[in-house]
Amino acid sequence: GAGVSQSPSNKVTEKGKDVELRCDPISGHTALYWYRQRLGQGLEFLIYFQGNSAPDKSGLPSDRFSAERTGESVSTLTIQRTQQEDSAVYLCASISGLPWEETQYFGPGTRLLVL
Amino acid sequence: TQLLKQSPQFLSIQEGENLTVYCNSSSVFSSLQWYRQEPGEGPVLLVTVVTGGEVKKLKRLTFQFGDARKDSSLHITAAQPGDTGLYLCAGKLGSNDYKLSFGAGTTVTVRA
Repeated sequence: GAGVSQSPSNKVTEKGKDVELRCDPISGHTALYWYRQRLGQGLEFLIYFQGNSAPDKSGLPSDRFSAERTGESVSTLTIQRTQQEDSAVYLCASISGLPWEETQYFGPGTRLLVL
Repeated sequence: TQLLKQSPQFLSIQEGENLTVYCNSSSVFSSLQWYRQEPGEGPVLLVTVVTGGEVKKLKRLTFQFGDARKDSSLHITAAQPGDTGLYLCAGKLGSNDYKLSFGAGTTVTVRA
């Protein structure tokens, strides 16, 4: 089956514009994460979705960031009024949700550059 | 503040040499994972270690989890150019946690 896909693969935008990033998880995976990876830094947790539970938004850096997930399918991460410090790779990962499963399957990421 | 510190930040070696990268913390982790990330791709899980003192081998890669479950190492024997990539360690503090704390990574370059 297909892995996690993300679109667009690259996005260049001007400061102040809104951007929407998309993640298609592995079919059947109930849990989904968004991470931000800045150059030379590790992955920074942004948000976690698990089934129909309320998402854990504790990693979102500001109210300009929001994310949605429809059921157990596609998720979108929206950044409003982008700033230059938002430039980073945004990674999505899905996990089956089974209690013994610890493997997160990552997409290739969206490289965002804010000019 | 990153819970996991990786060293060295960069490592460049000749094909056939051995290398070790380290992942250290002052916190105790219930489990630790190692990922490899290649340019333009997402990280791919290599191994999960859960028991203090555990050693796992994956072909030429040897992973060790410290006795106190605060640190880990990855040793590659006879490195090959295909081992080039960013190696990330990530840990869970509690066994029921769903969040992983990631280190900043070690960029390994193996020259042919």
